[in-house]
Amino acid sequence: EDKVVQSPLSLVVHEGDTVTLNCSYEVTNFRSLLWYKQEKKAPTFLFMLTSSGIEKKSGRLSSILDKKELFSILNITATQTGDSAVYLCAVLYFGNEKLTFGTGTRLTIIP
Amino acid sequence: GAGVSQSPSNKVTEKGKDVELRCDPISGHTALYWYRQSLGQGLEFLIYFQGNSAPDKSGLPSDRFSAERTGGSVSTLTIQRTQQEDSAVYLCASSSYSGANVLTFGAGSRLTVL
Repeated sequence: EDKVVQSPLSLVVHEGDTVTLNCSYEVTNFRSLLWYKQEKKAPTFLFMLTSSGIEKKSGRLSSILDKKELFSILNITATQTGDSAVYLCAVLYFGNEKLTFGTGTRLTIIP
Repeated sequence: GAGVSQSPSNKVTEKGKDVELRCDPISGHTALYWYRQSLGQGLEFLIYFQGNSAPDKSGLPSDRFSAERTGGSVSTLTIQRTQQEDSAVYLCASSSYSGANVLTFGAGSRLTVL
């Protein structure tokens, strides 16, 4: 069974800190990796990564994929209270049109 | 509509009753997914529809769960004889199947089985 493992499960930091969230996956038929942010209800799309070593960036958020070591990281710099959310990692495999999600990392930013 | 619309947003039911959850995807999106999210858990795949192809039902947890998609648009997830373990948020998502598979999610239907 395809597995996506996220760490840490939860993280509490102070506003202004930088955080790094991790996502590892299994290699067989890997196609792409996606990051979502879930605040209250609907997960919202952040990034999709397909190629190794190419950083995707949006404001204070950035993400990169390492296809050799089979993981991705999501970095958030200068964190704000609005960054508090569950961050979900999902992987798409060839031959399978469903996204396989990790359990998420719950990030809490303390003012 | 502009986004994925789900109804009801909240549903409380008694054990043993049947429930129907509705999803209205983004107009023009050919792919539609149902996921379930239990408290503190990640998203669990239930079923996937793509155009007129046979749906991928591999994630449905039991034969009490079924889903249909009429006219390639609106989908209904039906849970028969609900059990307490069915309590969860049921999320629907759609995508344009451009090969990118970036799903757009609805706000979900929170089901509580007493």
